[in-house]
Amino acid sequence: GAVVSQHPSRVICKSGTSVKIECRSLDFQATTMFWYRQFPKQSLMLMATSNEGSKATYEQGVEKDKFLINHASLTLSTLTVTSAHPEDSSFYICSAPPPEKNIQYFGAGTRLSVL
Amino acid sequence: QQQVKQSPQSLIVQKGGIPIINCAYENTAFDYFPWYQQFPGKGPALLIAIRPDVSEKKEGRFTISFNKSAKQFSLHIMDSQPGDSATYFCAATRAGSARQLTFGSGTQLTVLP
Repeated sequence: GAVVSQHPSRVICKSGTSVKIECRSLDFQATTMFWYRQFPKQSLMLMATSNEGSKATYEQGVEKDKFLINHASLTLSTLTVTSAHPEDSSFYICSAPPPEKNIQYFGAGTRLSVL
Repeated sequence: QQQVKQSPQSLIVQKGGIPIINCAYENTAFDYFPWYQQFPGKGPALLIAIRPDVSEKKEGRFTISFNKSAKQFSLHIMDSQPGDSATYFCAATRAGSARQLTFGSGTQLTVLP
């Protein structure tokens, strides 16, 4: 079964609204989680690293005020797309590495469509 | 230094064939090399992974070959099936980076029945 749960799987919203995406590690604690964006037929682009109890680390070119990340607990990170616009439409994916393991588990992804 | 180059971009094989996907890296600090399989509309799923001190790893029909001196690694899928049709990503990661992944560009595999 899935070890990283991502919700919702799909969201359609109007331009100007904010959308929150949740990422949960189900059977392990994750001090770090990662958020990616993926365009059709392209690879995953790392947006930011979510750190439990501290500020997220954003990749170059990613707007911090646009993509708010909150890692409030050891099992939950949220990504809020604020004032969404059509160009924010994309597939957003989170991942989390279990403690002391080399691997990362990915969520099922969230398809965001901004009208 | 952080880039992982993956080829080919797309690959079509007949059922039973052995598709091979190749990746190359530059950063010698990478110490773990996973492969992910992604179906449309889904998140990537870990398929198989290898460390650089091993030249080959096999799990079921999937085999990774690793050439440390050449800084290259490849995925072989034995007896490929139409259900293997997906996008495959190689990746690399290193200790001390919170296991942040550097992904290849992906290979879209189609296995014809």
